[in-house]
Amino acid sequence: GAVVSQHPSRVICKSGTSVKIECRSLDFQATTMFWYRQFPKQSLMLMATSNEGSKATYEQGVEKDKFLINHASLTLSTLTVTSAHPEDSSFYICSTRGDNEQFFGPGTRLTVL
Amino acid sequence: QKEVEQNSGPLSVPEGAIASLNCTYSDRGSQSFFWYRQYSGKSPELIMSIYSNGDKEDGRFTAQLNKASQYVSLLIRDSQPSDSATYLCAPSEGAQKLVFGQGTRLTINP
Repeated sequence: GAVVSQHPSRVICKSGTSVKIECRSLDFQATTMFWYRQFPKQSLMLMATSNEGSKATYEQGVEKDKFLINHASLTLSTLTVTSAHPEDSSFYICSTRGDNEQFFGPGTRLTVL
Repeated sequence: QKEVEQNSGPLSVPEGAIASLNCTYSDRGSQSFFWYRQYSGKSPELIMSIYSNGDKEDGRFTAQLNKASQYVSLLIRDSQPSDSATYLCAPSEGAQKLVFGQGTRLTINP
């Protein structure tokens, strides 16, 4: 399967700051990437679908102005959490879409103090 | 009503036994079905995918799909302690939008 990396793996920031998370497809040209969020003891929830060269599609209830997604190349999508607050603390996971399955990155643990 | 429901855990199984994980889904448009394994603090990894009614076997894992009943299951034979994890069921239309169940936490007891 495709190899997907994320950076950073873990980040701690102060409330009100912005945090950028990178998702890279290392061996696969990904026209579509997905961003998920997982709170403790809960399942993965899709936040948005990132499409190379076009605007991301956000799921209902996800603020597009708070979670900025940029997919400028076939190998890189970024998620920026703007003005982060403690309730944004979560495990953020990206994935790329293959022919019939999705390949997940290792995830980024965000803690907002 | 939840879109994807999984049997509530935690599920405890003795080592060497068969672990049975169940999942029902509401979207009849789902064509692809995935089982992911997630260790604590890690991202999901794909265990099995199934697209047609019936059984699909891969090593110790068998996925079963019944589209008429909107039911998919995962059997793990000869369970090992390393199988202890949370198992997520995810139906999809193709590999587009995956809708995950809440997951079943499986514990294999040595």
